Amino acid sequence: DAGITQSPRHKVTETGTPVTLRCHQTENHRYMYWYRQDPGHGLRLIHYSYGVKDTDKGEVSDGYSVSRSKTEDFLLTLESATSSQTSVYFCAISETGQYEKLFFGSGTQLSVL
Amino acid sequence: AQSVAQPEDQVNVAEGNPLTVKCTYSVSGNPYLFWYVQYPNRGLQFLLKYITGDNLVKGSYGFEAEFNKSQTSFHLKKPSALVSDSALYFCAVRLPGYSSASKIIFGSGTRLSIRP
Repeated sequence: DAGITQSPRHKVTETGTPVTLRCHQTENHRYMYWYRQDPGHGLRLIHYSYGVKDTDKGEVSDGYSVSRSKTEDFLLTLESATSSQTSVYFCAISETGQYEKLFFGSGTQLSVL
Repeated sequence: AQSVAQPEDQVNVAEGNPLTVKCTYSVSGNPYLFWYVQYPNRGLQFLLKYITGDNLVKGSYGFEAEFNKSQTSFHLKKPSALVSDSALYFCAVRLPGYSSASKIIFGSGTRLSIRP
């Protein structure tokens, strides 16, 4: 999947615990994104980054934070996981922020019990 | 509100027959339109895009899509379906006037099932 590694691939956690998902890219692309995929909703943007330490909110950012200290790494943190955050999380990258295609990682299946 | 709709949750087609997966959008201005495919346990993969120009766009794996501005549609098509085309398909639209891919809206997805 285009030099994008997401970790972990699967995680089960309890309500109220913090969770961090990692996205690592080897493409040196400037833009990185976190999406969540839920049945009937397609993909919804959580946060995105347009450079090191430059991030912004997406459509469904409540309860999530992100950090990007290096070009290749984009971390998504659930400060206090809730059952509504059970989902499949996808990282994506793009070289510019315009109309070229996105490249996606293989996803992280997160279950919050 | 600006949106993209995939009216069919599932499309079933016999192998060798033509297939169509529908997508309509509601945005102001001239949008950029995309199709992505998702195979089980994989991320989305880019199939094709429409930016401007010819209304018929050709993409990967023999797929094509037709942009129809008057009907605000961007339907995905293939002349002869293969069993290996079975997957989840997403239409997406990037809102015009924005310089960032943060303004991409995805449809809810259509599951395509090709029977032998």
